[in-house]
Amino acid sequence: DTGVSQDPRHKITKRGQNVTFRCDPISEHNRLYWYRQTLGQGPEFLTYFQNEAQLEKSRLLSDRFSAERPKGSFSTLEIQRTEQGDSAMYLCASSTDRAYEQYFGPGTRLTVT
Amino acid sequence: QKEVEQDPGPLSVPEGAIVSLNCTYSNSAFQYFMWYRQYSRKGPELLMYTYSSGNKEDGRFTAQVDKSSKYISLFIRDSQPSDSATYLCATHSGNTPLVFGKGTRLSVIA
Repeated sequence: DTGVSQDPRHKITKRGQNVTFRCDPISEHNRLYWYRQTLGQGPEFLTYFQNEAQLEKSRLLSDRFSAERPKGSFSTLEIQRTEQGDSAMYLCASSTDRAYEQYFGPGTRLTVT
Repeated sequence: QKEVEQDPGPLSVPEGAIVSLNCTYSNSAFQYFMWYRQYSRKGPELLMYTYSSGNKEDGRFTAQVDKSSKYISLFIRDSQPSDSATYLCATHSGNTPLVFGKGTRLSVIA
């Protein structure tokens, strides 16, 4: 399978703990996006990378959130001091910089108790 | 006003019906339009992608874009129970983050 993969698929954590999610994009895709989706809503943009450069961050991305893509391949999204409002599906998508279709991974479902 | 408006439904149709799903958008800079299908607790799956105004057909699915009225549509012919899912419209202005509608939940009843 050469699609976008995400790990873990599910994460349950207690409020105040830190969590980290990983995304592996489609291998030839140099753009990588993170979105967050809550129940009954469409995905909302968080941040994106072209290769290893983080080009844009949404206002949704508070200073408790940090994302990296150190070698321009996989990416990690870390949430520090989790809050119950962080409970959501975290989606990763990738694309080339010539074609504009974005392909999504299966998501990481975060539950903060 | 949200940039992309989509009626969340739910929409329930009998098997074999033609389904029409619609979105409106407000930003005239949007030029690229996509429809995603999302099954419960799964990631969105790209169904259709169109650029600017016009129609695009792929099997039972037809996507239409009317930029003059800022209206995008997805038609599903001969709907099947396996089409039951949430359908998300999305758009962007060119290699920028996608802006999504809320999604329409569709049920096709056998």
